[in-house]
Amino acid sequence: DTGVSQNPRHKITKRGQNVTFRCDPISEHNRLYWYRQTLGQGPEFLTYFQNEAQLEKSRLLSDRFSAERPKGSFSTLEIQRTEQGDSAMYLCASSLSRQGLKNIQYFGAGTRLSVL
Amino acid sequence: AQKVTQAQTEISVVEKEDVTLDCVYETRDTTYYLFWYKQPPSGELVFLIRRNSFDEQNEISGRYSWNFQKSTSSFNFTITASQVVDSAVYFCALSEAGNTGKLIFGQGTTLQVKP
Repeated sequence: DTGVSQNPRHKITKRGQNVTFRCDPISEHNRLYWYRQTLGQGPEFLTYFQNEAQLEKSRLLSDRFSAERPKGSFSTLEIQRTEQGDSAMYLCASSLSRQGLKNIQYFGAGTRLSVL
Repeated sequence: AQKVTQAQTEISVVEKEDVTLDCVYETRDTTYYLFWYKQPPSGELVFLIRRNSFDEQNEISGRYSWNFQKSTSSFNFTITASQVVDSAVYFCALSEAGNTGKLIFGQGTTLQVKP
């Protein structure tokens, strides 16, 4: 049973470019979360999927951000027209929505984005 | 609104010392979950424990123990006989029992264990 996988691990881009990150959750997990973590802070919730449905988006998720989970398996997070303030670690987590195991989220190692 | 406060930004101890990491939370929900995660330098958050709001029993797992007190809205984490491998950032988190399960994290406590 592999854990949550995120690619790439690091991304350096120039301001104004678009970037896309991928998350592969634990195979039987139907819930998938994206968080953003800046230096010295705890992760902050961005968005959440149950299967392929995106059920909640944080106000942190501006119009330049879009997330998808087309087949209810892997997910992508795209940032358009990147800004220096987007520099952060983007973390993905997955969980089961089964009684007793609900809400235990398992995290990937993250994608560190640097916008120059 | 939900909030988690970890007042200790950094703690430094010498190996074999005991250390307690503090966590105070705020929520209006009567049913909620509390978590501790460990984030080593590699960056991946490692799940340590989940408690629900109806279970105030303290828990011990090896060198780790957790003290949950609803009366003071605290969920403190103690490492007994600390080891260098315990060096990491530790996060306390809260989630409502409702639909999304999204986590509200504290700012984290960086623990350095020196040999």
